[in-house]
Amino acid sequence: SQTIHQWPATLVQPVGSPLSLECTVEGTSNPNLYWYRQAAGRGLQLLFYSVGIGQISSEVPQNLSASRPQDRQFILSSKKLLLSDSGFYLCAWSAQGRHNSPLHFGNGTRLTVT
Amino acid sequence: AQSVTQPDIHITVSEGASLELRCNYSYGATPYLFWYVQSPGQGLQLLLKYFSGDTLVQGIKGFEAEFKRSQSSFNLRKPSVHWSDAAEYFCAVGAGSGGYQKVTFGTGTKLQVIP
Repeated sequence: SQTIHQWPATLVQPVGSPLSLECTVEGTSNPNLYWYRQAAGRGLQLLFYSVGIGQISSEVPQNLSASRPQDRQFILSSKKLLLSDSGFYLCAWSAQGRHNSPLHFGNGTRLTVT
Repeated sequence: AQSVTQPDIHITVSEGASLELRCNYSYGATPYLFWYVQSPGQGLQLLLKYFSGDTLVQGIKGFEAEFKRSQSSFNLRKPSVHWSDAAEYFCAVGAGSGGYQKVTFGTGTKLQVIP
């Protein structure tokens, strides 16, 4: 069966520091990968998605970037964190090429920027 | 553009009572519809999904949802709520595009269960 791992679970970082959140998927190949951010009362906002290695699409302009160095690895980064980057970050995957494939989520990372 | 509305931010029900969480969507074609549940500090777990066919879909944990095209609704129901059902519930509409799943989520309904 497929599993998705996200780490770290929680992170406290000062303003201006760099960020690296990692997500890996097991049990499937060539998945679509996604990064979402969740803010209280605002649902989930899609930040990035990837349909293959090195292929990243950004949904909203922001202080963050994403990379996919390997087929089942997705990384969310920032060079300098802002206070507004605080939130709950969720990685997800769906099956490639299947338009009706649901998203499957990791357990998330709670990021607090101080 | 697709959108999802969950009109109830917070709902409180007694344990053993029935539950209905409302969801309305906007999408030009036949949508893919999902319900997810999230416990505090956790990721989202898929409860059920609708793509086509029978408009009443069964999910995990005793939940079901009914797709009503005429009302653009996809309400989630459970006949008898358990205390462990307390969580936040998200309705979502998806549209396959370019090989990936473009999913739009509602803002969620937080369910409180009282003994």
